[in-house]
Amino acid sequence: DVKVTQSSRYLVKRTGEKVFLECVQDMDHENMFWYRQDPGLGLRLIYFSYDVKMKEKGDIPEGYSVSREKKERFSLILESASTNQTSMYLCASSLRHPYEQYFGPGTRLTVT
Amino acid sequence: AQRVTQPEKLLSVFKGAPVELKCNYSYSGSPELFWYVQYSRQRLQLLLRHISRESIKGFTADLNKGETSFHLKKPFAQEEDSAMYYCARLSGGYNKLIFGAGTRLAVHP
Repeated sequence: DVKVTQSSRYLVKRTGEKVFLECVQDMDHENMFWYRQDPGLGLRLIYFSYDVKMKEKGDIPEGYSVSREKKERFSLILESASTNQTSMYLCASSLRHPYEQYFGPGTRLTVT
Repeated sequence: AQRVTQPEKLLSVFKGAPVELKCNYSYSGSPELFWYVQYSRQRLQLLLRHISRESIKGFTADLNKGETSFHLKKPFAQEEDSAMYYCARLSGGYNKLIFGAGTRLAVHP
């Protein structure tokens, strides 16, 4: 059973803080993804990685960065959190062909 | 830009009624399309993919290239079908999925 875990279910941060969201998968998947999920907008891809130390920008990378030092771990970093980054963040992983992505439970981030 | 459009934010039906969740995509050769579902308090998960042409939980989806659509259908809705449904397609580079905005299905008793 594929397991994708995210470090926090709920997070409250202040404007300007640096925020780290961690994602770990235990199925040796090559691809990992970070999305934000907003009502009426669906899932929007922030960044993805297809190998260790590799990363590619998604559709909305501004204000975010990522790190993938180990195959199983993919971190999303908000360098200076802003209120418009309040959202649900979903991590996902998949094998080489990303047609089936396995999702984590999500982290609901509130920036005040 | 490749797009996936789900025109309905909410679809509300009674138990036993037929369901059709609409999905349209921008034309691009031979797309690979999927439906993902998120039940209340559960993770987003794959429901079905067009390439497998299977029926999952009574749901089917047929790719119509002429209408650039991939609507999700079920002949008789059940209360446990209530969830958020997302249509998605592989991007041209085959590295990522593009999701629609989602449709919330509410099945009433």
